[in-house]
Amino acid sequence: EVQLVESGGGLVQPGRSLKLSCVASGFTFSTYGMNWIRQAPGKGLEWVAYISSGSSYIYYAETVKGRFTISRDKAKNTLYLQMTSLRSEDTALYYCARETPGGYFDYWGQGVMVTVSS
Amino acid sequence: DIQMTQSPASLSASPEEIVTITCQASQDIGNWLVWFQQKPGKSPQLLIYSATNLADGIPSRFSGSRSGTQFSLKISRLQVEDTGIYYCLQRYSNPRTFGGGTKLELK
Repeated sequence: EVQLVESGGGLVQPGRSLKLSCVASGFTFSTYGMNWIRQAPGKGLEWVAYISSGSSYIYYAETVKGRFTISRDKAKNTLYLQMTSLRSEDTALYYCARETPGGYFDYWGQGVMVTVSS
Repeated sequence: DIQMTQSPASLSASPEEIVTITCQASQDIGNWLVWFQQKPGKSPQLLIYSATNLADGIPSRFSGSRSGTQFSLKISRLQVEDTGIYYCLQRYSNPRTFGGGTKLELK
């Protein structure tokens, strides 16, 4: 069974950093691209970042470029999102999602909440 | 960036009705269009990929179509469990962009 489990969220002050993790199981992690998507409270979905299966291709939304870094560890079957210089507008539920070669997100985690507030 | 204009923002329909949700892409995206359903308090679930292909385990009352840069999600014979918010996503280019969502309520 494919599972994606996010962790690392919490309450953080503006300007500080936080690192999210997404542990994958039930599939060959190293063969799939992965995404982070977020959802602010009561709002729609916003794509955040993508990393290809071999980490060769990485893309970011303009709203996080230069502040967030997506990475992955094949040995640990884990996807990461390092978030720095956090702003109040980064407050959201963060999901990781698997991307198939056909370009669709077929499995999502349950999400982890990040709250940026003083 | 490619803009995805989704409509309507909300709709209310009765069981067994047919509803259609549309997403208009700001430029050609081929068939790189995906539809998701998000039920309250849950993660999004894949419904349709490559504009017209039904995802595994999704009832056949859901269908997707494309006409140029306009994409549609049709739900036939609406069921109570279809309540939720529906999103489209373009996967043609980066940044990937979602539509604003359509909130579907059953009467």
